[in-house]
Amino acid sequence: GAVVSQHPSRVICKSGTSVKIECRSLDFQATTMFWYRQFPKQSLMLMATSNEGSKATYEQGVEKDKFLINHASLTLSTLTVTSAHPEDSSFYICSGTSASGGADTQYFGPGTRLTVL
Amino acid sequence: DAKTTQPTSMDCAEGRAANLPCNHSTISGNEYVYWYRQIHSQGPQYIIHGLKNNETNEMASLIITEDRKSSTLILPHATLRDTAVYYCIVRPYSTHNDMRFGAGTRLTVKP
Repeated sequence: GAVVSQHPSRVICKSGTSVKIECRSLDFQATTMFWYRQFPKQSLMLMATSNEGSKATYEQGVEKDKFLINHASLTLSTLTVTSAHPEDSSFYICSGTSASGGADTQYFGPGTRLTVL
Repeated sequence: DAKTTQPTSMDCAEGRAANLPCNHSTISGNEYVYWYRQIHSQGPQYIIHGLKNNETNEMASLIITEDRKSSTLILPHATLRDTAVYYCIVRPYSTHNDMRFGAGTRLTVKP
């Protein structure tokens, strides 16, 4: 299957700082990438949809000025959490879409655990 | 509005088949059934997908009823490493459509 990587795998930062998370599709080109977050004991919640070369589409309730998404190439998308606060502590997961077998499938990265002190 | 309904949790004995049901009674004609699983503190892992025919791969089998209103994921010989949360998702075929995750089924494989 297609492989998606994320970097870093975990990060601890101080309140008020910004954190950048990278998501790369290693062996396929992802025209669309998605960013999710997952709080403890909860399911994944979509944050935004990102198409290469265009502005991301954010889900209701997700602040676009706080969660900056850049999808500059077909293999790289970045999520920057600006002025992070403890309530932003979560598990952030990206995914990319690959067309295969007659229906496109989303492949997910391993996730980035963000802890804001 | 949930598009799928899954049991909250299930147990399975190691070495036995695990059968995970999913109801999707409002599925549309252009929607596929996808199954993913998430092992603790990892990203979701793709398992299998199908439209109307039964599907099998190296990980699992997917049985979809003729009316497409429900499906069953079968892990033929469950191992302890199959302990995870399993998500059944219905979604149209499109590169621009995201996966919407429900609560899933927490499968515990016991020795």
